[in-house]
Amino acid sequence: AQKVTQAQTEISVVEKEDVTLDCVYETRDTTYYLFWYKQPPSGELVFLIRRNSFDEQNEISGRYSWNFQKSTSSFNFTITASQVVDSAVYFCALSESGGGTSYGKLTFGQGTILTVHP
Amino acid sequence: DAGVTQSPTHLIKTRGQQVTLRCSPKSGHDTVSWYQQALGQGPQFIFQYYEEEERQRGNFPDRFSGHQFPNYSSELNVNALLLGDSALYLCASSLGGGSSYNEQFFGPGTRLTVL
Repeated sequence: AQKVTQAQTEISVVEKEDVTLDCVYETRDTTYYLFWYKQPPSGELVFLIRRNSFDEQNEISGRYSWNFQKSTSSFNFTITASQVVDSAVYFCALSESGGGTSYGKLTFGQGTILTVHP
Repeated sequence: DAGVTQSPTHLIKTRGQQVTLRCSPKSGHDTVSWYQQALGQGPQFIFQYYEEEERQRGNFPDRFSGHQFPNYSSELNVNALLLGDSALYLCASSLGGGSSYNEQFFGPGTRLTVL
Protein backbone atom coordinates (compact mmCIF):
# COMPACT_ATOMS: atom_id res chain seq x y z
CA ALA A 1 0.00 0.00 0.00
CA GLN A 2 1.18 3.49 -0.69
CA LYS A 3 1.84 5.92 2.12
CA VAL A 4 3.15 9.47 2.46
CA THR A 5 4.52 10.88 5.70
CA GLN A 6 5.12 14.53 6.44
CA ALA A 7 6.62 14.47 9.90
CA GLN A 8 6.56 18.23 10.39
CA THR A 9 3.07 19.28 11.46
CA GLU A 10 3.85 22.99 11.76
CA ILE A 11 6.81 25.19 10.91
CA SER A 12 7.16 28.83 11.82
CA VAL A 13 9.86 31.05 10.32
CA VAL A 14 10.64 34.71 9.94
CA GLU A 15 10.55 36.28 6.51
CA LYS A 16 13.70 35.74 4.41
CA GLU A 17 14.62 32.54 6.22
CA ASP A 18 15.04 29.37 4.19
CA VAL A 19 12.73 26.51 5.09
CA THR A 20 12.65 22.82 4.10
CA LEU A 21 9.54 20.69 4.20
CA ASP A 22 10.17 16.96 4.52
CA CYS A 23 8.30 14.18 2.72
CA VAL A 24 8.91 10.44 2.96
CA TYR A 25 6.91 7.96 0.89
CA GLU A 26 6.31 4.22 0.68
CA THR A 27 5.36 2.33 -2.44
CA ARG A 28 5.90 -1.08 -4.00
CA ASP A 29 5.66 0.26 -7.53
CA THR A 30 8.77 0.94 -9.55
CA THR A 31 6.94 3.59 -11.54
CA TYR A 32 5.26 6.32 -9.56
CA TYR A 33 4.83 10.07 -9.43
CA LEU A 34 5.38 12.52 -6.63
CA PHE A 35 3.67 15.86 -6.26
CA TRP A 36 3.69 18.90 -4.05
CA TYR A 37 0.55 20.98 -3.59
CA LYS A 38 0.00 24.23 -1.71
CA GLN A 39 -3.29 24.93 0.06
CA PRO A 40 -3.82 28.59 1.00
CA PRO A 41 -6.62 29.56 3.42
CA SER A 42 -9.07 29.68 0.51
CA GLY A 43 -8.90 25.89 0.45
CA GLU A 44 -8.07 25.26 -3.20
CA LEU A 45 -5.09 22.97 -3.74
CA VAL A 46 -2.51 24.54 -6.03
CA PHE A 47 -0.15 22.28 -7.98
CA LEU A 48 3.55 23.08 -7.51
CA ILE A 49 5.56 20.24 -9.02
CA ARG A 50 5.43 16.69 -10.36
CA ARG A 51 8.31 14.22 -10.41
CA ASN A 52 8.43 10.70 -11.86
CA SER A 53 10.33 7.89 -10.22
CA PHE A 54 12.91 7.72 -12.97
CA ASP A 55 13.97 11.33 -12.74
CA GLU A 56 16.09 12.04 -9.67
CA GLN A 57 17.35 15.37 -10.86
CA ASN A 58 16.80 18.14 -8.40
CA GLU A 59 14.73 21.01 -9.66
CA ILE A 60 14.74 24.71 -8.97
CA SER A 61 11.97 27.10 -9.86
CA GLY A 62 12.53 30.60 -8.60
CA ARG A 63 12.63 30.46 -4.81
CA TYR A 64 11.41 26.85 -4.79
CA SER A 65 13.60 23.77 -5.06
CA TRP A 66 12.98 20.06 -4.72
CA ASN A 67 15.33 17.27 -3.68
CA PHE A 68 14.23 13.78 -4.77
CA GLN A 69 16.23 10.84 -3.37
CA LYS A 70 15.00 7.35 -4.18
CA SER A 71 17.57 5.77 -1.86
CA THR A 72 15.85 7.33 1.14
CA SER A 73 12.34 7.53 -0.40
CA SER A 74 12.28 11.24 0.20
CA PHE A 75 11.04 14.21 -1.80
CA ASN A 76 11.84 17.35 0.15
CA PHE A 77 10.79 20.89 -0.72
CA THR A 78 12.82 24.00 0.09
CA ILE A 79 11.65 27.59 -0.04
CA THR A 80 14.51 30.07 -0.17
CA ALA A 81 14.10 33.56 1.29
CA SER A 82 10.56 32.84 2.49
CA GLN A 83 7.86 35.46 2.20
CA VAL A 84 4.63 36.05 4.10
CA VAL A 85 2.68 34.98 1.01
CA ASP A 86 4.24 31.51 1.32
CA SER A 87 2.15 30.90 4.44
CA ALA A 88 -0.10 27.95 3.65
CA VAL A 89 -0.48 24.23 4.17
CA TYR A 90 1.80 22.18 1.93
CA PHE A 91 1.00 18.63 0.91
CA CYS A 92 3.20 15.98 -0.58
CA ALA A 93 1.35 13.34 -2.63
CA LEU A 94 2.10 10.06 -4.37
CA SER A 95 0.45 8.45 -7.37
CA GLU A 96 1.33 4.91 -8.35
CA SER A 97 1.33 3.72 -11.91
CA GLY A 98 -0.03 0.34 -10.87
CA GLY A 99 0.46 -1.10 -14.32
CA GLY A 100 -1.98 1.46 -15.62
CA THR A 101 -4.76 0.46 -13.26
CA SER A 102 -4.35 2.96 -10.46
CA TYR A 103 -6.01 5.68 -12.50
CA GLY A 104 -4.13 8.50 -10.89
CA LYS A 105 -5.35 8.12 -7.32
CA LEU A 106 -3.40 10.58 -5.18
CA THR A 107 -2.31 9.60 -1.69
CA PHE A 108 -1.56 12.68 0.38
CA GLY A 109 0.51 13.24 3.47
CA GLN A 110 -1.05 14.99 6.44
CA GLY A 111 0.37 18.32 5.42
CA THR A 112 2.75 20.84 6.95
CA ILE A 113 1.41 24.19 8.10
CA LEU A 114 3.95 26.85 7.20
CA THR A 115 3.68 30.26 8.83
CA VAL A 116 6.02 32.99 7.69
CA HIS A 117 6.13 35.98 10.02
CA PRO A 118 7.05 39.48 8.82
CA ASP B 1 -10.36 29.34 -19.29
CA ALA B 2 -12.58 28.30 -16.39
CA GLY B 3 -10.98 26.12 -13.78
CA VAL B 4 -12.70 23.48 -11.69
CA THR B 5 -15.87 24.79 -10.09
CA GLN B 6 -17.85 23.30 -7.22
CA SER B 7 -21.20 24.03 -5.69
CA PRO B 8 -22.35 24.83 -3.16
CA THR B 9 -19.52 26.52 -1.27
CA HIS B 10 -20.91 25.68 2.14
CA LEU B 11 -23.60 23.33 3.32
CA ILE B 12 -25.11 22.54 6.69
CA LYS B 13 -27.06 19.30 7.18
CA THR B 14 -28.29 17.23 10.08
CA ARG B 15 -27.51 13.62 10.83
CA GLY B 16 -29.40 11.14 8.68
CA GLN B 17 -29.99 13.55 5.83
CA GLN B 18 -28.71 13.16 2.29
CA VAL B 19 -26.52 15.62 0.38
CA THR B 20 -25.47 16.17 -3.23
CA LEU B 21 -22.34 18.06 -4.18
CA ARG B 22 -21.56 19.18 -7.71
CA CYS B 23 -18.42 19.63 -9.74
CA SER B 24 -17.64 20.99 -13.20
CA PRO B 25 -14.21 20.02 -14.49
CA LYS B 26 -11.68 22.28 -16.09
CA SER B 27 -12.38 22.88 -19.76
CA GLY B 28 -11.12 19.96 -21.84
CA HIS B 29 -10.84 17.55 -18.93
CA ASP B 30 -12.77 14.28 -18.97
CA THR B 31 -11.93 12.72 -15.61
CA VAL B 32 -13.20 13.72 -12.19
CA SER B 33 -11.91 12.57 -8.80
CA TRP B 34 -13.42 13.31 -5.41
CA TYR B 35 -11.52 13.70 -2.15
CA GLN B 36 -12.60 14.21 1.45
CA GLN B 37 -10.44 16.43 3.64
CA ALA B 38 -11.18 16.36 7.36
CA LEU B 39 -9.95 19.26 9.44
CA GLY B 40 -6.20 19.14 9.91
CA GLN B 41 -5.77 16.15 7.61
CA GLY B 42 -4.67 15.53 4.07
CA PRO B 43 -7.27 14.81 1.39
CA GLN B 44 -8.49 11.21 1.19
CA PHE B 45 -9.45 9.70 -2.16
CA ILE B 46 -13.13 8.78 -2.45
CA PHE B 47 -13.53 7.72 -6.09
CA GLN B 48 -12.85 8.65 -9.68
CA TYR B 49 -15.15 8.89 -12.70
CA TYR B 50 -14.26 8.53 -16.34
CA GLU B 51 -16.57 7.87 -19.27
CA GLU B 52 -19.49 8.05 -16.87
CA GLU B 53 -18.23 5.09 -14.87
CA GLU B 54 -16.60 4.74 -11.48
CA ARG B 55 -13.03 3.68 -12.26
CA GLN B 56 -11.50 3.41 -8.81
CA ARG B 57 -12.73 3.72 -5.26
CA GLY B 58 -11.04 4.47 -1.96
CA ASN B 59 -12.00 3.11 1.46
CA PHE B 60 -15.37 4.77 1.74
CA PRO B 61 -18.71 3.07 2.50
CA ASP B 62 -21.50 2.66 0.00
CA ARG B 63 -23.22 5.68 1.51
CA PHE B 64 -20.89 7.61 -0.77
CA SER B 65 -21.92 7.40 -4.40
CA GLY B 66 -21.37 9.43 -7.48
CA HIS B 67 -22.27 10.09 -11.02
CA GLN B 68 -20.67 11.58 -14.10
CA PHE B 69 -22.70 13.20 -16.84
CA PRO B 70 -22.02 13.25 -20.59
CA ASN B 71 -20.62 16.79 -20.29
CA TYR B 72 -18.05 15.37 -17.78
CA SER B 73 -19.51 17.18 -14.78
CA SER B 74 -19.98 15.07 -11.69
CA GLU B 75 -22.01 14.72 -8.52
CA LEU B 76 -21.09 13.26 -5.16
CA ASN B 77 -23.96 11.92 -3.08
CA VAL B 78 -23.75 11.04 0.57
CA ASN B 79 -26.66 9.27 2.27
CA ALA B 80 -27.47 8.87 5.95
CA LEU B 81 -25.06 11.60 6.99
CA LEU B 82 -22.93 11.09 10.08
CA LEU B 83 -21.19 13.70 12.19
CA GLY B 84 -17.90 12.29 10.91
CA ASP B 85 -18.83 13.24 7.34
CA SER B 86 -18.17 16.87 8.20
CA ALA B 87 -15.27 17.86 5.98
CA LEU B 88 -14.10 19.80 2.95
CA TYR B 89 -15.00 17.88 -0.19
CA LEU B 90 -12.62 18.52 -3.05
CA CYS B 91 -13.17 17.77 -6.69
CA ALA B 92 -10.22 17.35 -9.04
CA SER B 93 -10.24 17.08 -12.79
CA SER B 94 -7.68 15.66 -15.16
CA LEU B 95 -7.32 14.38 -18.68
CA GLY B 96 -7.19 10.97 -20.20
CA GLY B 97 -8.78 8.58 -17.78
CA GLY B 98 -6.78 9.69 -14.80
CA SER B 99 -3.33 8.61 -15.82
CA SER B 100 -0.99 8.73 -12.86
CA TYR B 101 1.20 11.16 -14.73
CA ASN B 102 -1.40 13.80 -15.38
CA GLU B 103 -1.74 16.70 -13.05
CA GLN B 104 -5.03 16.96 -11.20
CA PHE B 105 -6.55 20.40 -10.95
CA PHE B 106 -8.54 21.01 -7.80
CA GLY B 107 -11.62 23.08 -7.19
CA PRO B 108 -12.16 25.31 -4.15
CA GLY B 109 -14.16 22.61 -2.36
CA THR B 110 -17.50 22.35 -0.60
CA ARG B 111 -17.45 22.70 3.16
CA LEU B 112 -20.00 20.27 4.60
CA THR B 113 -21.04 20.55 8.23
CA VAL B 114 -23.19 17.83 9.75
CA LEU B 115 -24.98 18.74 13.00
